[in-house]
Amino acid sequence: SQQGEEDPQALSIQEGENATMNCSYKTSINNLQWYRQNSGRGLVHLILIRSNEREKHSGRLRVTLDTSKKSSSLLITASRAADTASYFCATTEYGNKLVFGAGTILRVKS
Amino acid sequence: DGGITQSPKYLFRKEGQNVTLSCEQNLNHDAMYWYRQDPGQGLRLIYYSQIVNDFQKGDIAEGYSVSREKKESFPLTVTSAQKNPTAFYLCASRSGGGGLGETQYFGPGTRLLVL
Repeated sequence: SQQGEEDPQALSIQEGENATMNCSYKTSINNLQWYRQNSGRGLVHLILIRSNEREKHSGRLRVTLDTSKKSSSLLITASRAADTASYFCATTEYGNKLVFGAGTILRVKS
Repeated sequence: DGGITQSPKYLFRKEGQNVTLSCEQNLNHDAMYWYRQDPGQGLRLIYYSQIVNDFQKGDIAEGYSVSREKKESFPLTVTSAQKNPTAFYLCASRSGGGGLGETQYFGPGTRLLVL
């Protein structure tokens, strides 16, 4: 069963614009992670945010977590064509395995 | 050059045939995972192993089998009992410590097609 649900399913923006993707989940979690997948490739870990954290940054990425709303957002600032990929959130219930959402497909047009 | 390798990149299976997908890691990670990805969907866990000679079923283990005889290797066999095997298969590993849900590192994937 899928724990995280990403929104939107697909997003198309111009290079230089910001991209925001959202993830909602259903149960209490230990941490939430975001991964990127280029077409036909494996997943690459982007960032992990723990349940007691509210915001985390890594380069052009900003992740927020609102445990009261059971939601997270991933913001990519000043997007580039190379950011074109699918983005997945994955949640962990306490002491349990990773559960992935269906992903958001991001297309950055140059 | 550390990482996870999967082979082959493409694999074709005939009806009734068992096929084995290879996954090797030189990251000295304790835990390894197999996922299945269908078009437009997220990853679903098939099997995972936290230590050598031990493995657990994931959410969709029926029709699959694994072994973990060496720390570096976690091969997945897709048996003839798996009636809809066409998918993209991803192997991942995680270092020891922490829970099952800590950061995982993924291989490049194997695309399995049925002839």
